[in-house]
Amino acid sequence: EVQLLESGGGLVQPGGSLRLSCAASGFTFSNDAMTWVRQAPGKGLEWVSAIDGNFGTAYYADSVRGRFTISRDKSKNTLYLEMNSLRAEDAAVYYCAKGVMGAPTPGDAFDIWGQGTLVTVSS
Amino acid sequence: DIQMTQSPSSLSASVGDRVTITCRASQSISRYLNWYQQRPGKAAKLLIYAASSLQSGVPSRFSGSGSGTDFTLTITSLQPEDFATYYCQQSHSTPITFGQGTRLEIK
Repeated sequence: EVQLLESGGGLVQPGGSLRLSCAASGFTFSNDAMTWVRQAPGKGLEWVSAIDGNFGTAYYADSVRGRFTISRDKSKNTLYLEMNSLRAEDAAVYYCAKGVMGAPTPGDAFDIWGQGTLVTVSS
Repeated sequence: DIQMTQSPSSLSASVGDRVTITCRASQSISRYLNWYQQRPGKAAKLLIYAASSLQSGVPSRFSGSGSGTDFTLTITSLQPEDFATYYCQQSHSTPITFGQGTRLEIK
């Protein structure tokens, strides 16, 4: 079965750090772009970060640039999101998603999604 | 950043109805527009990519059209499982942006 499985979410204090992982199974991680999308409680979808499949170029939303780092380990079929200096507004369910293209733009679409992992930022 | 605006924000309809959701981009995005369905507590599901291409496994009652700045998602003959929230998303340029969502409810 083709799937993505996120892990690493949890409760963290403001200013703290978390590392999210997204393990792919049932398909080869290969050269597709991979993306993190988040959804705050009761809110819509927000694109967070993406990494292209060929050169490992990283892209970030302004709201997380400088605090979050996306990376991938093709040998482990795993995507990561290192989150530092977390803020209350970062609290959300974080989804990883596989793109259908090698780069996030132009033209990518997210055809496989994980089930999400919840990040709570609170003291 | 490219702003994506969906209308309506919510919509009530009955099983068997035909509904149309509109998405407008703040600048031309060619046909780099995708549509997703999200049911409560679940991840989003890709329905339409490149404005009008039906994703594999998605029922043919879903269709998309448009180019430039104006796009539509049409669902013909609504089924009970179609009551969900729908999002458009542009992949013309980063930051990738989503519309605010359209909640489709049962009348």
